[in-house]
Amino acid sequence: KAGVTQTPRYLIKTRGQQVTLSCSPISGHRSVSWYQQTPGQGLQFLFEYFSETQRNKGNFPGRFSGRQFSNSRSEMNVSTLELGDSALYLCASSPRGPGPGQETQYFGPGTRLLVL
Amino acid sequence: EDQVTQSPEALRLQEGESSSLNCSYTVSGLRGLFWYRQDPGKGPEFLFTLYSAGEEKEKERLKATLTKKESFLHITAPKPEDSATYLCVVRNYGGSQGNLIFGKGTKLSVKP
Repeated sequence: KAGVTQTPRYLIKTRGQQVTLSCSPISGHRSVSWYQQTPGQGLQFLFEYFSETQRNKGNFPGRFSGRQFSNSRSEMNVSTLELGDSALYLCASSPRGPGPGQETQYFGPGTRLLVL
Repeated sequence: EDQVTQSPEALRLQEGESSSLNCSYTVSGLRGLFWYRQDPGKGPEFLFTLYSAGEEKEKERLKATLTKKESFLHITAPKPEDSATYLCVVRNYGGSQGNLIFGKGTKLSVKP
């Protein structure tokens, strides 16, 4: 099975712009979660989508939004970019079905965003 | 408050020098504990899932164990390619699907 894929892998934007990141989960996985990782804060949870519905949301401002499509692919959008948004953005997918092992998350390679 | 604490923050080993990484957790209810390995600039790579005290999982030079308060990741005869940051993550029973609590990680360096 192919792993989680994220596009683009690298991105440079300027303050005030907006950005859209894309994530394709492992085939058959219905849950997609997004994380922000910075050296100072570590991994921080942004939100989780399951069957096109947002199930959980982290403590991030409304500038951060996401959605999930019927094929489980997900996008996240950050509007009005700030310097502090520079980070590695990670997407993770999981089956989220019944039974053991269904909650394990598998991460993609990440999108490195640099805001100038 | 649910919390995951990993120790030490950094560990330097000589090749072949076995050691253990610790993950202590306090959660209202443990739904699962996960170990990941992360190389710089890359996404975390899944290693193990543990669900109940007494459970053990092994993969090559790595062995993960779980008690009611902590988990250990034992590394036997490490090699330089084992150098990475090891993350411990716990899912509790909060919310509709449980919440994930991340440890800060242990950065392991193995010198030849």
